[in-house]
Amino acid sequence: GDSVTQMEGPVTLSEEAFLTINCTYTATGYPSLFWYVQYPGEGLQLLLKATKADDKGSNKGFEATYRKETTSFHLEKGSVQVSDSAVYFCAPNSGYSTLTFGKGTMLLVSP
Amino acid sequence: EAQVTQNPRYLITVTGKKLTVTCSQNMNHEYMSWYRQDPGLGLRQIYYSMNVEVTDKGDVPEGYKVSRKEKRNFPLILESPSPNQTSLYFCAAKSLAGYEQYFGPGTRLTVT
Repeated sequence: GDSVTQMEGPVTLSEEAFLTINCTYTATGYPSLFWYVQYPGEGLQLLLKATKADDKGSNKGFEATYRKETTSFHLEKGSVQVSDSAVYFCAPNSGYSTLTFGKGTMLLVSP
Repeated sequence: EAQVTQNPRYLITVTGKKLTVTCSQNMNHEYMSWYRQDPGLGLRQIYYSMNVEVTDKGDVPEGYKVSRKEKRNFPLILESPSPNQTSLYFCAAKSLAGYEQYFGPGTRLTVT
């Protein structure tokens, strides 16, 4: 089955710093790749996705590129804000619908 | 507005007392799923359903039951809750033709 390895958190940054959260995966075939975000006290919501190799997903200033050769989907943002403080989950999907989530990486941004 | 609702949002109960957490979606999506979230373990799937009357086990189904009698509802049943089922539970829904899973706001369950 699919599996995901995410960098452990918490990741602590100052506002306007550059963010990278690493994600590598193993999956059968050619999965679609997702990043979900969980703000405090809320459920998960889709942040961005990429469905084939070399695709770049982007949303709210976050980006991630589907790297098939390294089986990676690292999340980046050039300048984080306090409001980006949340837990971020990487998730490949090579099955019909079931997602496999990473353990999540907590991001804490201070003013 | 696309929505997944869960009730209750918070529940404290005692060992062995049967409980049901309801989940309802207004998107007419075929696929629904239950997850539990625990510190250090991320999200783990409990059960899922591909459509009405079709359910299957996820990674951690022991101690849980589900039913899918209607497309919009997917209740999670704990027949005899135990303290190790203390967790944060999420319901999700997805169209089989789409990519995105829509999550409910979560139910925090404490079993004493």
